[in-house]
Amino acid sequence: AQSVAQPEDQVNVAEGNPLTVKCTYSVSGNPYLFWYVQYPNRGLQFLLKYITGDNLVKGSYGFEAEFNKSQTSFHLKKPSALVSDSALYFCAVRDYDAGNMLTFGGGTRLMVKP
Amino acid sequence: DADVTQTPRNRITKTGKRIMLECSQTKGHDRMYWYRQDPGLGLRLIYYSFDVKDINKGEISDGYSVSRQAQAKFSLSLESAIPNQTALYFCATSGGQAYQPQHFGDGTRLSIL
Repeated sequence: AQSVAQPEDQVNVAEGNPLTVKCTYSVSGNPYLFWYVQYPNRGLQFLLKYITGDNLVKGSYGFEAEFNKSQTSFHLKKPSALVSDSALYFCAVRDYDAGNMLTFGGGTRLMVKP
Repeated sequence: DADVTQTPRNRITKTGKRIMLECSQTKGHDRMYWYRQDPGLGLRLIYYSFDVKDINKGEISDGYSVSRQAQAKFSLSLESAIPNQTALYFCATSGGQAYQPQHFGDGTRLSIL
């Protein structure tokens, strides 16, 4: 079985400071990892993914994520936060060897204060 | 125009009523999904369909049914709604490769009194 944990319900950061939203995963096979963002009254929007290759992946809106196989983590990062980054962020994993279904974490609310 | 359209966007109804949520897409994807979102629980998969003739139960299918009317249309039904089905429901689509992300509609907020 595959699972995703987002240990922080909420992350608070000041505008201009770096941000990190944490994600750890568990799969039996090779992981495909995704980050999505949800703004109020909207569906989830795809930010970035890790499939293979370089452990640092870059995505939309200046976000990036670092894949760490030994720590089974895929943390989302941004060097300088914007107030407009305030939203709900979801990490998701797909176990390539287990039916390709996507499993989501519980979500982390990011609050960026001016 | 949105690539994945859900109707209605909001619905309030009573216990025991039959409800249908509809989803249509213009992305040309074969795969479609229905999820339920509850605070702190993320998204949980209700049903998914890999093509018109292939429909599968997800993690929480009890109390729900689906119909794939065409490649572009996938509807979710609650035959007899109960209050603990109050949630935000999302439809999503994806291409056929495991590395391809899913694309979501804007959701239906369903309240069952």
